[in-house]
Amino acid sequence: GAVVSQHPSWVICKSGTSVKIECRSLDFQATTMFWYRQFPKQSLMLMATSNEGSKATYEQGVEKDKFLINHASLTLSTLTVTSAHPEDSSFYICSATGGASVEAFFGQGTRLTVV
Amino acid sequence: LAKTTQPISMDSYEGQEVNITCSHNNIATNDYITWYQQFPSQGPRFIIQGYKTKVTNEVASLFIPADRKSSTLSLPRVSLSDTAVYYCLVGDPMDSSYKLIFGSGTRLLVRP
Repeated sequence: GAVVSQHPSWVICKSGTSVKIECRSLDFQATTMFWYRQFPKQSLMLMATSNEGSKATYEQGVEKDKFLINHASLTLSTLTVTSAHPEDSSFYICSATGGASVEAFFGQGTRLTVV
Repeated sequence: LAKTTQPISMDSYEGQEVNITCSHNNIATNDYITWYQQFPSQGPRFIIQGYKTKVTNEVASLFIPADRKSSTLSLPRVSLSDTAVYYCLVGDPMDSSYKLIFGSGTRLLVRP
């Protein structure tokens, strides 16, 4: 089946620094990618939706200047958490749709810890 | 987007059949029903998708009544490894504005 690879799987960074998370569709062209954040024991919260070559659409309450999303190609989307703070510590997950399937494929997630 | 309602948690024992029901009263004509499974610290994994009646694959069955206002995910003979959170999502995957919105999910605990 289709595979979405997310990197890194975990990252620890200092407060005030920026962190980039990559999401790649390995064997299909991802026309749409979704980015989620998930806190412990909670559901996935959609942060933004991005279509290849277009600006991302952010959900209400998500700061677009803090969470920069780039979807420059049909196989790669990146999420950059700028000036990270401890409250940004969370599990970030990407998802991609596209190709012949209507199914959404998820990355393995990135555990971000800001210290 | 159709809102979904699921039980927060369920308990079962190994070897039993587990049925998780999801309510989606406002489902639209073109909406599909999709179920995902999530283990701790992993991304969700697709289980099954359907539009009406019954769909079956190698891991689960999905029952959808005629009015489509609810659906039931059936897991036959669960094992300990089926302990996870199960999410029901509703939407039209062919819609260019389709967004995967997750509800609270059902936390299934399978006991020995």
